[in-house]
Amino acid sequence: EVQLVESGGGLVQPEGSLRLSCAASEFTFSSSYWMSWVRQAPGKGLEWVANINEDGSEKYYVDSVKGRFTISRDNAKNSLYLQMNSLRDEDTAVYYCARGEAADYWGQGTLVTVSS
Amino acid sequence: DVVMTQSPLSLPVTLGQPASISCRSSQSLVHSDGDTYLNWFQQRPGQSPRRLIYKVSNRDSGVPDRFSGSGSGTDFTLKISRVEAEDVGVYYCMQATHWPPITFGQGTRLEIK
Repeated sequence: EVQLVESGGGLVQPEGSLRLSCAASEFTFSSSYWMSWVRQAPGKGLEWVANINEDGSEKYYVDSVKGRFTISRDNAKNSLYLQMNSLRDEDTAVYYCARGEAADYWGQGTLVTVSS
Repeated sequence: DVVMTQSPLSLPVTLGQPASISCRSSQSLVHSDGDTYLNWFQQRPGQSPRRLIYKVSNRDSGVPDRFSGSGSGTDFTLKISRVEAEDVGVYYCMQATHWPPITFGQGTRLEIK
């Protein structure tokens, strides 16, 4: 069965940086799927953050993270990443990776807390 | 950006009774390729979201047939024919026709009366 496992979350101060990872398995990560990051602030709904195409040549972001977050992937390692810089309080959320722009499979999420 | 509006936001339902959630988009979700990329997700308490329905009415593998999706253009509906205890959670619609950004509805919290 498709597995997505996020890691890298934690407590970080405002203006700090964090890199999230998502390890994918049990599907052909490299050739067939866009990948997405979606976040959920505590007690709130789902918000799409970014996605990336199969070979990493196309990347899209929600306006609130443009210029601060970078999505990337390493197909040789079946891994998706989210580099988050200049973090703000409002970036506090559980971050999920999901397969495809239609999000047919999700990971368990990793919690990012931005606080001084 | 396409705005997705769900109603109701809270839905108390008696076990065994039907439930219906509406999702409306601020513009038509018909893509230029002819498909409509409207999906439904369930998030049980303490769990990750799970996709139930894709492209309006197609059930994902393992989703009980008491769940069904319908609609077209800007108006969509998720129906549960007979609510069971395991259906408690928050339900979200999501559009992936006009992106970026991909957008979600606010969520509808289903609870048992």
